[in-house]
Amino acid sequence: QVQLVQSGAEVKKPGASVKVSCKASGYTFTSYDINWVRQATGQGLEWMGWMNPNSGNTGYAQKFQGRVTMTRNTSISTAYMELSSLRSEDTAVYYCARVNIYFSDGMDVWGQGTTVTVSS
Amino acid sequence: SYELTQPPSVSVSPGQTARITCSGDALPKQYAYWYQQKPGQAPVLVIYKDSERPSGIPERFSGSSSGTTVTLTISGVQAEDEADYYCQSADSSGTYKVFGGGTKLTVL
Repeated sequence: QVQLVQSGAEVKKPGASVKVSCKASGYTFTSYDINWVRQATGQGLEWMGWMNPNSGNTGYAQKFQGRVTMTRNTSISTAYMELSSLRSEDTAVYYCARVNIYFSDGMDVWGQGTTVTVSS
Repeated sequence: SYELTQPPSVSVSPGQTARITCSGDALPKQYAYWYQQKPGQAPVLVIYKDSERPSGIPERFSGSSSGTTVTLTISGVQAEDEADYYCQSADSSGTYKVFGGGTKLTVL
């Protein structure tokens, strides 16, 4: 079945970087954009940016520009989100989500989430 | 930066109709989407393109749009519908996506 499986939880110190992976299966990875969304504990969803796995083109939310990098490895159908200069406010669950043009660019498949904890 | 505004909470009794609104200046130009999120789970798309429902989503979920406000309506609310609901859209240029702050639906 169609699914996105994310890497496991991470604990990082302030100032470090984290790289979260998102492995796609059950569909053609290069045919659908991947978006990244995060959610701090008890808070709402926050959109971080998008990546086109076919071209590698990306677009980032203004809040994260300069700190986030979204990449992919098409040979293993995996997308990555790297966030640098981590601070405590980056502690959150990070989700990858597939964007489906058949749903007018709605996010129809989500990963299970990766918890990133930033603590000294 | 562009914002979508939702009420923090809505409460209804089982069998009643719940309406959750989402307001934003660019909504007349950009599609809206609605996601349901239950505790400890990833969000699920329940409405796309303002009012379309993906297959597998119960017919009691519907969406509508009027000017700068979109509305998610859940008719005949069931206990299993208790969740957080988020609207999502984009700024007027379509460059940046944004989520509303979320609405907690409580089934009394």
